Amino acid sequence: DAGVIQSPRHEVTEMGQEVTLRCKPISGHDYLFWYRQTMMRGLELLIYFNNNVPIDDSGMPEDRFSAKMPNASFSTLKIQPSEPRDSAVYFCASRGTGEAYGYTFGSGTRLTVV
Amino acid sequence: GESVGLHLPTLSVQEGDNSIINCAYSNSASDYFIWYKQESGKGPQFIIDIRSNMDKRQGQRVTVLLNKTVKHLSLQIAATQPGDSAVYFCAERADYGGSQGNLIFGKGTKLSVKP
Repeated sequence: DAGVIQSPRHEVTEMGQEVTLRCKPISGHDYLFWYRQTMMRGLELLIYFNNNVPIDDSGMPEDRFSAKMPNASFSTLKIQPSEPRDSAVYFCASRGTGEAYGYTFGSGTRLTVV
Repeated sequence: GESVGLHLPTLSVQEGDNSIINCAYSNSASDYFIWYKQESGKGPQFIIDIRSNMDKRQGQRVTVLLNKTVKHLSLQIAATQPGDSAVYFCAERADYGGSQGNLIFGKGTKLSVKP
Protein backbone atom coordinates (compact mmCIF):
# COMPACT_ATOMS: atom_id res chain seq x y z
CA ASP A 1 0.00 0.00 0.00
CA ALA A 2 1.28 3.48 -0.85
CA GLY A 3 0.04 4.89 2.42
CA VAL A 4 -1.94 8.09 2.81
CA ILE A 5 -1.34 10.31 -0.20
CA GLN A 6 -1.67 14.07 -0.03
CA SER A 7 -1.36 16.66 -2.74
CA PRO A 8 0.09 19.09 -3.38
CA ARG A 9 3.19 18.83 -1.16
CA HIS A 10 3.65 22.58 -1.23
CA GLU A 11 1.24 25.35 -2.06
CA VAL A 12 1.96 29.06 -2.19
CA THR A 13 -0.99 31.31 -2.81
CA GLU A 14 -2.01 34.91 -2.46
CA MET A 15 -4.33 36.10 0.22
CA GLY A 16 -7.95 35.89 -0.90
CA GLN A 17 -7.43 32.95 -3.24
CA GLU A 18 -9.16 29.62 -2.88
CA VAL A 19 -6.98 26.68 -1.85
CA THR A 20 -7.89 23.00 -2.15
CA LEU A 21 -5.91 20.28 -0.42
CA ARG A 22 -6.41 16.67 -1.37
CA CYS A 23 -6.10 13.36 0.40
CA LYS A 24 -6.34 9.70 -0.56
CA PRO A 25 -6.60 7.48 2.52
CA ILE A 26 -5.36 3.94 2.79
CA SER A 27 -7.71 1.56 1.03
CA GLY A 28 -10.10 -0.04 3.49
CA HIS A 29 -9.66 2.60 6.17
CA ASP A 30 -13.00 4.05 7.18
CA TYR A 31 -11.80 6.95 9.33
CA LEU A 32 -10.20 10.03 7.83
CA PHE A 33 -8.81 12.97 9.77
CA TRP A 34 -7.57 16.42 8.80
CA TYR A 35 -4.99 18.03 11.10
CA ARG A 36 -3.22 21.36 10.98
CA GLN A 37 0.24 21.82 12.41
CA THR A 38 1.80 25.15 13.34
CA MET A 39 4.63 26.13 15.62
CA MET A 40 2.23 28.12 17.78
CA ARG A 41 -0.46 25.48 18.29
CA GLY A 42 1.10 22.14 17.45
CA LEU A 43 -1.13 19.47 15.87
CA GLU A 44 -4.80 20.43 15.86
CA LEU A 45 -7.65 18.22 14.69
CA LEU A 46 -9.81 20.11 12.23
CA ILE A 47 -12.40 17.51 11.21
CA TYR A 48 -12.84 13.78 10.89
CA PHE A 49 -15.02 11.48 8.81
CA ASN A 50 -16.31 7.98 9.41
CA ASN A 51 -17.54 6.10 6.35
CA ASN A 52 -17.41 9.36 4.38
CA VAL A 53 -19.68 11.16 6.84
CA PRO A 54 -18.33 14.17 8.79
CA ILE A 55 -18.54 13.30 12.48
CA ASP A 56 -16.88 16.19 14.26
CA ASP A 57 -15.96 19.48 12.64
CA SER A 58 -15.62 21.47 15.84
CA GLY A 59 -11.96 22.07 15.10
CA MET A 60 -12.59 23.86 11.82
CA PRO A 61 -11.43 27.43 12.48
CA GLU A 62 -14.22 29.28 10.71
CA ASP A 63 -16.59 29.23 7.78
CA ARG A 64 -13.75 29.82 5.36
CA PHE A 65 -12.77 26.19 5.90
CA SER A 66 -14.77 23.31 4.46
CA ALA A 67 -14.07 19.61 3.98
CA LYS A 68 -15.72 16.94 1.91
CA MET A 69 -15.38 13.23 1.42
CA PRO A 70 -17.36 12.29 -1.69
CA ASN A 71 -16.20 8.67 -1.58
CA ALA A 72 -14.08 6.30 0.47
CA SER A 73 -10.91 7.06 -1.44
CA PHE A 74 -10.87 10.84 -1.60
CA SER A 75 -11.23 13.88 0.61
CA THR A 76 -10.65 17.59 0.15
CA LEU A 77 -10.04 20.47 2.51
CA LYS A 78 -10.86 23.84 1.04
CA ILE A 79 -10.04 27.31 2.29
CA GLN A 80 -11.88 30.19 0.68
CA PRO A 81 -10.75 32.93 0.93
CA SER A 82 -7.30 32.12 2.25
CA GLU A 83 -5.50 34.38 4.74
CA PRO A 84 -1.84 34.58 5.82
CA ARG A 85 -2.72 33.08 9.23
CA ASP A 86 -3.82 29.90 7.44
CA SER A 87 -0.18 29.20 6.62
CA ALA A 88 0.63 25.83 8.17
CA VAL A 89 1.26 22.20 7.34
CA TYR A 90 -1.97 20.31 6.81
CA PHE A 91 -1.97 16.58 7.44
CA CYS A 92 -4.44 13.95 6.47
CA ALA A 93 -4.54 10.68 8.41
CA SER A 94 -6.61 7.52 8.17
CA ARG A 95 -7.26 4.39 10.18
CA GLY A 96 -9.50 1.37 10.05
CA THR A 97 -11.96 0.06 12.60
CA GLY A 98 -10.98 -2.92 14.66
CA GLU A 99 -7.27 -2.66 14.07
CA ALA A 100 -4.63 -0.88 16.03
CA TYR A 101 -5.89 2.58 16.66
CA GLY A 102 -2.79 4.33 15.49
CA TYR A 103 -3.41 6.66 12.63
CA THR A 104 -1.35 6.62 9.46
CA PHE A 105 -0.43 10.10 8.40
CA GLY A 106 0.30 11.47 4.96
CA SER A 107 3.36 13.58 4.25
CA GLY A 108 1.40 16.79 4.58
CA THR A 109 0.79 19.87 2.47
CA ARG A 110 2.80 22.94 3.41
CA LEU A 111 0.57 25.93 2.72
CA THR A 112 1.96 29.44 2.53
CA VAL A 113 -0.44 32.32 2.06
CA VAL A 114 1.26 35.60 1.15
CA GLY B 1 7.80 40.75 12.39
CA GLU B 2 8.03 37.04 12.97
CA SER B 3 5.61 35.67 15.54
CA VAL B 4 6.99 33.82 18.53
CA GLY B 5 6.67 30.12 17.93
CA LEU B 6 5.98 27.28 20.29
CA HIS B 7 9.12 26.48 22.23
CA LEU B 8 9.49 22.73 22.11
CA PRO B 9 11.23 21.02 24.99
CA THR B 10 14.51 19.67 23.68
CA LEU B 11 16.41 16.62 24.77
CA SER B 12 20.00 16.35 23.65
CA VAL B 13 21.75 12.99 24.04
CA GLN B 14 24.96 11.39 22.94
CA GLU B 15 24.82 8.62 20.37
CA GLY B 16 24.64 5.28 22.10
CA ASP B 17 23.06 6.64 25.28
CA ASN B 18 19.50 5.87 26.32
CA SER B 19 16.84 8.55 25.90
CA ILE B 20 13.76 9.12 27.99
CA ILE B 21 11.01 11.37 26.71
CA ASN B 22 8.20 12.28 29.06
CA CYS B 23 4.60 13.24 28.55
CA ALA B 24 1.84 14.26 30.94
CA TYR B 25 -1.75 13.73 29.93
CA SER B 26 -4.79 15.35 31.41
CA ASN B 27 -7.81 13.14 30.73
CA SER B 28 -8.28 10.38 33.28
CA ALA B 29 -10.77 8.77 30.86
CA SER B 30 -8.04 8.20 28.26
CA ASP B 31 -7.60 4.49 27.67
CA TYR B 32 -5.12 4.31 24.84
CA PHE B 33 -1.85 6.07 24.20
CA ILE B 34 0.50 6.31 21.27
CA TRP B 35 3.96 7.68 20.64
CA TYR B 36 4.69 9.22 17.28
CA LYS B 37 7.95 10.28 15.70
CA GLN B 38 8.05 13.18 13.26
CA GLU B 39 11.11 13.83 11.17
CA SER B 40 11.64 17.12 9.44
CA GLY B 41 9.38 17.51 6.42
CA LYS B 42 7.41 14.35 7.12
CA GLY B 43 4.18 13.34 8.76
CA PRO B 44 4.05 11.77 12.23
CA GLN B 45 4.97 8.09 12.19
CA PHE B 46 3.60 5.52 14.63
CA ILE B 47 6.21 4.10 17.02
CA ILE B 48 4.47 2.21 19.78
CA ASP B 49 1.18 2.16 21.64
CA ILE B 50 -0.13 1.03 25.01
CA ARG B 51 -3.54 0.43 26.50
CA SER B 52 -4.51 1.67 29.91
CA ASN B 53 -4.69 -1.88 31.30
CA MET B 54 -0.93 -2.15 30.90
CA ASP B 55 1.89 -0.23 32.51
CA LYS B 56 4.72 -1.24 30.21
CA ARG B 57 5.16 -2.32 26.63
CA GLN B 58 8.33 -3.02 24.73
CA GLY B 59 9.16 -2.77 21.08
CA GLN B 60 12.38 -2.84 19.17
CA ARG B 61 14.72 -0.50 21.09
CA VAL B 62 11.71 1.36 22.50
CA THR B 63 9.74 0.95 25.71
CA VAL B 64 6.64 2.85 26.76
CA LEU B 65 5.76 3.21 30.42
CA LEU B 66 2.37 4.31 31.66
CA ASN B 67 1.65 5.59 35.15
CA LYS B 68 -2.07 6.17 35.43
CA THR B 69 -1.85 7.36 39.01
CA VAL B 70 -0.01 10.50 38.00
CA LYS B 71 -1.18 10.49 34.37
CA HIS B 72 2.31 10.20 32.99
CA LEU B 73 3.66 8.48 29.92
CA SER B 74 7.26 7.98 28.93
CA LEU B 75 9.14 6.71 25.91
CA GLN B 76 12.51 5.11 26.41
CA ILE B 77 14.83 4.67 23.45
CA ALA B 78 17.78 2.35 23.96
CA ALA B 79 21.14 2.99 22.33
CA THR B 80 19.97 6.19 20.68
CA GLN B 81 21.13 6.67 17.10
CA PRO B 82 21.43 9.77 14.91
CA GLY B 83 18.40 8.53 12.96
CA ASP B 84 16.33 8.89 16.11
CA SER B 85 16.66 12.68 15.91
CA ALA B 86 13.12 13.96 15.48
CA VAL B 87 10.19 15.47 17.33
CA TYR B 88 8.31 12.94 19.45
CA PHE B 89 4.63 13.32 20.25
CA CYS B 90 2.50 11.47 22.72
CA ALA B 91 -1.18 11.11 21.91
CA GLU B 92 -4.10 9.98 24.05
CA ARG B 93 -7.49 8.65 23.15
CA ALA B 94 -10.57 8.43 25.33
CA ASP B 95 -13.12 5.78 24.45
CA TYR B 96 -16.37 7.45 25.39
CA GLY B 97 -18.94 4.70 25.88
CA GLY B 98 -17.76 2.76 22.87
CA SER B 99 -17.56 5.68 20.48
CA GLN B 100 -14.26 6.21 18.75
CA GLY B 101 -12.70 9.10 20.57
CA ASN B 102 -10.14 11.13 18.72
CA LEU B 103 -6.45 11.23 19.32
CA ILE B 104 -5.32 14.33 21.17
CA PHE B 105 -1.67 15.18 20.62
CA GLY B 106 0.78 16.68 23.04
CA LYS B 107 3.06 19.54 22.04
CA GLY B 108 6.06 17.36 21.30
CA THR B 109 9.66 16.99 22.43
CA LYS B 110 12.59 17.49 20.12
CA LEU B 111 15.26 14.81 20.43
CA SER B 112 18.70 15.76 19.20
CA VAL B 113 21.33 13.03 18.98
CA LYS B 114 24.97 14.08 18.96
CA PRO B 115 27.35 11.76 17.12
